[in-house]
Amino acid sequence: DAKTTQPTSMDCAEGRAANLPCNHSTISGNEYVYWYRQIHSQGPQYIIHGLKNNETNEMASLIITEDRKSSTLILPHATLRDTAVYYCIVAGSARQLTFGSGTQLTVLP
Amino acid sequence: EPEVTQTPSHQVTQMGQEVILRCVPISNHLYFYWYRQILGQKVEFLVSFYNNEISEKSEIFDDQFSVERPDGSNFTLKIRSTKLEDSAMYFCASSERLAGFTGELFFGEGSRLTVL
Repeated sequence: DAKTTQPTSMDCAEGRAANLPCNHSTISGNEYVYWYRQIHSQGPQYIIHGLKNNETNEMASLIITEDRKSSTLILPHATLRDTAVYYCIVAGSARQLTFGSGTQLTVLP
Repeated sequence: EPEVTQTPSHQVTQMGQEVILRCVPISNHLYFYWYRQILGQKVEFLVSFYNNEISEKSEIFDDQFSVERPDGSNFTLKIRSTKLEDSAMYFCASSERLAGFTGELFFGEGSRLTVL
């Protein structure tokens, strides 16, 4: 699996959009970008995934650059409950996910 | 909303003892996984399971580990002779598809294993 690079931590004001970047410069053509989050040592929670096109669901939006070397997860209106570690994972399938260290997002009141 | 449930939530055991961690995957899911997370470290893949056999396993999943689906609902992880370094949170997950699967894994809340 291609490796990803994420900032160690980020802060975001409650109610504002949280934009979490991820670099994956060695991603190959058949690899997807997955985002999961982990709230305080609970089980990881799926957020969104994409291949080439931007994706949106009820939780977030995923913006993937045209060259696919980086992506941004957007939480449009962050709440305190969105405080978590966010993992960007690149994989050819979801069968065997390799979690990195992720980004600790802290949403501030 | 359907969820993956795991028991026990916390187990304390003596080194060398056998431990069985149990999971009830989401009812219509056919593919099952175990991951673990040592305190303060990354979430690590252990094994995936489909159709009563292991599909993939990591280097961590050595002969001390085994998985089983003993009935139509449970999925278990057995550690035969626990070591101190087996202390971790163990997460079960399930999904609807495996081969070529590109979607969502549903994780349970985890079972914390403490080996003394």
